[in-house]
Amino acid sequence: DAGITQSPRHKVTETGTPVTLRCHQTENHRYMYWYRQDPGHGLRLIHYSYGVKDTDKGEVSDGYSVSRSKTEDFLLTLESATSSQTSVYFCAISGGDSHNYGYTFGSGTRLTVV
Amino acid sequence: SQQGEEDPQALSIQEGENATMNCSYKTSINNLQWYRQNSGRGLVHLILIRSNEREKHSGRLRVTLDTSKKSSSLLITASRAADTASYFCATDANAGKSTFGDGTTLTVKP
Repeated sequence: DAGITQSPRHKVTETGTPVTLRCHQTENHRYMYWYRQDPGHGLRLIHYSYGVKDTDKGEVSDGYSVSRSKTEDFLLTLESATSSQTSVYFCAISGGDSHNYGYTFGSGTRLTVV
Repeated sequence: SQQGEEDPQALSIQEGENATMNCSYKTSINNLQWYRQNSGRGLVHLILIRSNEREKHSGRLRVTLDTSKKSSSLLITASRAADTASYFCATDANAGKSTFGDGTTLTVKP
């Protein structure tokens, strides 16, 4: 999607290995989010960021960490991947300070932990 | 826990008919958003309605919000095969952290 890219698009990794997913935006938006989507379900918030070096946990943050050293990049790390973390991961950005803006989503990263 | 819940879970209609999806939520909100997701793709923002608004239109889309009932509806008029997708509502009750429902899968038959 325009202005936001995720990498990699697909990844297969082994249980116990660390994995980092990258979200890059060119919109200069303040807010960035990581969600996971599991089959037949909506999205669940993992972590979000409201500025450089400012991050906070979402509802399913256990086993995940994030970093945001630049406005344009938001990294999600699975510290020690488990099979329960097999999912599709979406990054989203939101502009403005009023929170009355919709999200723009990336195309997703399909992660398989074997 | 899910804040928004869509109803029905699945909806199948003929092209040209209207499609109505509903979303219910539990706590007070700042705004409610609707998104579309085509199979294997990311979500696309359709429309946002603020808590002090009752109805919004965008093309063939009409969204209503009833804060007294904690519910919203999305109406797609004159549906097309290209409207086949999953539709999600999301509620912002906590400073920009939106919570998504499980979605309604819409199938529009040509």
